[in-house]
Amino acid sequence: KNQVEQSPQSLIILEGKNCTLQCNYTVSPFSNLRWYKQDTGRGPVSLTIMTFSENTKSNGRYTATLDADTKQSSLHITASQLSDSASYICVVTGGVGNNRKLIWGLGTSLGVNP
Amino acid sequence: EPEVTQTPSHQVTQMGQEVILRCVPISNHLYFYWYRQILGQKVEFLVSFYNNEISEKSEIFDDQFSVERPDGSNFTLKIRSTKLEDSAMYFCASRQQVASYEQYFGPGTRLTVT
Repeated sequence: KNQVEQSPQSLIILEGKNCTLQCNYTVSPFSNLRWYKQDTGRGPVSLTIMTFSENTKSNGRYTATLDADTKQSSLHITASQLSDSASYICVVTGGVGNNRKLIWGLGTSLGVNP
Repeated sequence: EPEVTQTPSHQVTQMGQEVILRCVPISNHLYFYWYRQILGQKVEFLVSFYNNEISEKSEIFDDQFSVERPDGSNFTLKIRSTKLEDSAMYFCASRQQVASYEQYFGPGTRLTVT
């Protein structure tokens, strides 16, 4: 069964600290993996997208890694800011052609405190 | 930068009533989607729409749901007879006809059924 599991479920850190969020997936065939940031009451916004051949990708203070062998991904946030408080959702696209589907994780709720 | 817009931002309705949620996708996009997110749960796919017809729908998208693109800009989701369990955030998304499969999400409509 295609699934995406994320950990931790929630996390609270102090402003300026780093953190790493985890994503494990069992999706086949694999097309790509995205990390979304979802502010409370808002739609998801894409942070990074990684294909099978990519191991790491950065977007400012966000760095995503992908290990296609172990089917694991991480999102590292450096020098956290209060505005980083949000839900971070791992989404794996499975399938090929027009049969591709987004398999959603539940998300990690990140709180950044001053 | 172009973005997906949705109206209303919050809709309160009584059980059994019909509601129409509206979306204006990004203008040069060709694929349109509706998702829902019940509070505290994963984002769930409802339906995809391309070339003026439904291309895929989930088991959630039963006979009480319908979608329409009445003109060149709007994309609507109608729920004919709302139930309490329809209370959720409903997100519209759109994408271009390119291989990246990048979907852009609107801010969502919060539907509350009382």
